[in-house]
Amino acid sequence: ETGVTQTPRHLVMGMTNKKSLKCEQHLGHNAMYWYKQSAKKPLELMFVYSLEERVENNSVPSRFSPECPNSSHLFLHLHTLQPEDSALYLCASSQARTGAEKLFFGSGTQLSVL
Amino acid sequence: GQNIDQPTEMTATEGAIVQINCTYQTSGFNGLFWYQQHAGEAPTFLSYNVLDGLEEKGRFSSFLSRSKGYSYLLLKELQMKDSASYLCAALDSNYQLIWGAGTKLIIKP
Repeated sequence: ETGVTQTPRHLVMGMTNKKSLKCEQHLGHNAMYWYKQSAKKPLELMFVYSLEERVENNSVPSRFSPECPNSSHLFLHLHTLQPEDSALYLCASSQARTGAEKLFFGSGTQLSVL
Repeated sequence: GQNIDQPTEMTATEGAIVQINCTYQTSGFNGLFWYQQHAGEAPTFLSYNVLDGLEEKGRFSSFLSRSKGYSYLLLKELQMKDSASYLCAALDSNYQLIWGAGTKLIIKP
């Protein structure tokens, strides 16, 4: 069983749809993250949760809504997205939110917004 | 502003050695990470350097010079499976990760 699992792997949605991305970590970590990865661009940190509390929200549009029901699960709810939101969305976890911890990533959800 | 620079793409030959450079400008510094990402897969941790010098892990080594704001990842005895993107990320004074755009390494037989 892989450490961080993301579903779905691929998602195509229209601009008026509502969908959710799911992430689950089996590592017993206390911090979880959502990143956006666009082609040839640096990873963009979107949200950080530490011990199930949101500790960072990096000016992300409200059409992205995170949810962390427990320390093992993280969701990203999507609605009214724009074509420029098409990207790879990566979930990651770390033992703690200290910054110097190595991150364990999931394989990501490749999102296409039509 | 904070910035990480690394080459967009590099090509090397199977069995050879390649060095991927990374320069950083950050507000303070608390270490530098390298991650490997195969196409369509999760990035995986390779190394973390916080002190100057070279750290070796098998075929991979990572070097850091804090005074020069410079790091490199050295890959020896290249194998086809080393074809991947290599991501450099620096930790600033607030322990925020500043990411580079990644270097795509292509290995040719």
